[in-house]
Amino acid sequence: AQSVAQPEDQVNVAEGNPLTVKCTYSVSGNPYLFWYVQYPNRGLQFLLKYITGDNLVKGSYGFEAEFNKSQTSFHLKKPSALVSDSALYFCAVRRNSGYSTLTFGKGTMLLVSP
Amino acid sequence: DAGVIQSPRHEVTEMGQEVTLRCKPISGHNSLFWYRQTMMRGLELLIYFNNNVPIDDSGMPEDRFSAKMPNASFSTLKIQPSEPRDSAVYFCASGLDLNEQYFGPGTRLTVT
Repeated sequence: AQSVAQPEDQVNVAEGNPLTVKCTYSVSGNPYLFWYVQYPNRGLQFLLKYITGDNLVKGSYGFEAEFNKSQTSFHLKKPSALVSDSALYFCAVRRNSGYSTLTFGKGTMLLVSP
Repeated sequence: DAGVIQSPRHEVTEMGQEVTLRCKPISGHNSLFWYRQTMMRGLELLIYFNNNVPIDDSGMPEDRFSAKMPNASFSTLKIQPSEPRDSAVYFCASGLDLNEQYFGPGTRLTVT
């Protein structure tokens, strides 16, 4: 079985400050990891993914995520938050071999204050 | 590309009625997914098609739910008969095999 934990229901950050949204995962074998963002009344949008290679992955809108195998984590980061980054963020994982669909976390609401 | 297209965007129906949700995936994608999102249960995978063939329907809640993909550019999710507990936002997503998925805007279903 595979699972994703997003330990924070909500993260509050002031505009201009760095932000981190946490994600830990459990999967047999090596993982494929993804981050998605959902704005109100919209579908999920793909932000970035880790497949293999460099542990620091860069994605859309200035976001990046760091894969840490020993801690089974894939935290989402951005050096300087914008008010427009306020949204619901989902981490997802699947096994990198064989048949395995994505398992999503419960989501973390990011609120960036002006 | 127009992205994944879903219709209707909103559906309000009475308990016992049949509901059909529609999805047009992104051209060239060979995988299609139906999800359901609720506050209580989060995002749940209902069914996964690859090359128009249902691969995994283990998430379909019960026999009242059925999904078809008659061709590469169209899929339906049908609920018959509908119940109030089916109220949710239903998303269709498409992709290449099991790589990143691209979601449609969703259909908000309310069953009264």
